[in-house]
Amino acid sequence: EAAVTQSPRNKVAVTGGKVTLSCNQTNNHNNMYWYRQDTGHGLRLIHYSYGAGSTEKGDIPDGYKASRPSQENFSLILELATPSQTSVYFCASGDRLGGPTQYFGPGTRLLVL
Amino acid sequence: GEQVEQLPSILRVQERSSASINCTYENSASNYFPWYKQEPGENPKLIIDIRSNMERKQIQGLIVLLDKKAKRFSLHITDTQPADSAMYFCAASRPNTDKVVFGTGTRLQVSP
Repeated sequence: EAAVTQSPRNKVAVTGGKVTLSCNQTNNHNNMYWYRQDTGHGLRLIHYSYGAGSTEKGDIPDGYKASRPSQENFSLILELATPSQTSVYFCASGDRLGGPTQYFGPGTRLLVL
Repeated sequence: GEQVEQLPSILRVQERSSASINCTYENSASNYFPWYKQEPGENPKLIIDIRSNMERKQIQGLIVLLDKKAKRFSLHITDTQPADSAMYFCAASRPNTDKVVFGTGTRLQVSP
């Protein structure tokens, strides 16, 4: 199973502040994804990447940016955090050979006050 | 956009009975359908998947059925145990992409 780690695991931010969520995977998967999970909505795709240097918008990209500086690392950036971005954020990695099966990190719980 | 409808949202069953979760998808070109189990405070974990060239797949007590004509797929858990209590998500692939769209989840509660 893919090894996907996220940091921080918990974060409290203030409205208007900048937040960076980091994700690292060690299985050399080409694809990486950022989701948020909210009750009643399941998992919604924010941004994804097909490889180093690429980022693509998902279904709910507004208010978020992404960065993929290397095969292993994929960051999610909230330039101006808002309370509506309070959520649990999951990073995942995968590749087409698998399905596209995705393997999830442990999640980051973000609270924006 | 493409959506996956998942029902029921909450499912309560007695231990050793069966549990069934149903999902429908919109795009007939979807060809990959994974199921994830998420325990409280944990990440979603893949438990079983099925591809469009199959109608049925079983891994131990988990059975997945796929009806492409009806654009419907389902997860059946036989002989449920309290350890099966969790949130379950279905998903369907988005054609010609490496993305999937998730259902909204089913909370399964298995009572002793």
